[in-house]
Amino acid sequence: DTAVSQTPKYLVTQMGNDKSIKCEQNLGHDTMYWYKQDSKKFLKIMFSYNNKELIINETVPNRFSPKSPDKAHLNLHINSLELGDSAVYFCASKPGTDYGYTFGSGTRLTVV
Amino acid sequence: QQPVQSPQAVILREGEDAVINCSSSKALYSVHWYRQKHGEAPVFLMILLKGGEQKGHDKISASFNEKKQQSSLYLTASQLSYSGTYFCGTPTNQAGTALIFGKGTTLSVSS
Repeated sequence: DTAVSQTPKYLVTQMGNDKSIKCEQNLGHDTMYWYKQDSKKFLKIMFSYNNKELIINETVPNRFSPKSPDKAHLNLHINSLELGDSAVYFCASKPGTDYGYTFGSGTRLTVV
Repeated sequence: QQPVQSPQAVILREGEDAVINCSSSKALYSVHWYRQKHGEAPVFLMILLKGGEQKGHDKISASFNEKKQQSSLYLTASQLSYSGTYFCGTPTNQAGTALIFGKGTTLSVSS
């Protein structure tokens, strides 16, 4: 019944590794997002996809690559992880312009 | 342009009221409000649209002054469950493609 689900919930990895975070929504929403929340709770937009097409790509290192195989999925792959990538990553979706986001439960990434 | 929230933190006793403000240096098409409890995801509270339409939580009220590019969230007769960090979000463009969030206001309600 989970509306927006992310896996894994926790990810601890060493610097230099490559990792992926998966996101799936069963709400039928057209638009999906990745946000990064740092230790000061600042929520920063990373990417936005509308119906599998990339529409927003904020100033994010190109080590981060989103992939949307279909409208219900938006995955995030991170290459060559750095200490500064440690954060909570939230996936979100919404059905249209004047509607709120539904967030996934988040993935806490710790790079050691 | 990131919206500016004030105050940064509020401490209340149950039953007291609080107002959280959100302002922007650019024209606002809409304002979103979210609440995030510790260790959880942000949860949508409401959206305020130009023209006065509101959608969302029926126990929390808010205002949106388009001319002043400001919004305020009113938490009346606060309950313990109101504790958390409140974020306002404003669209990056008129299409509302994505939101930029303020830095948040932490609300602590005690009994």
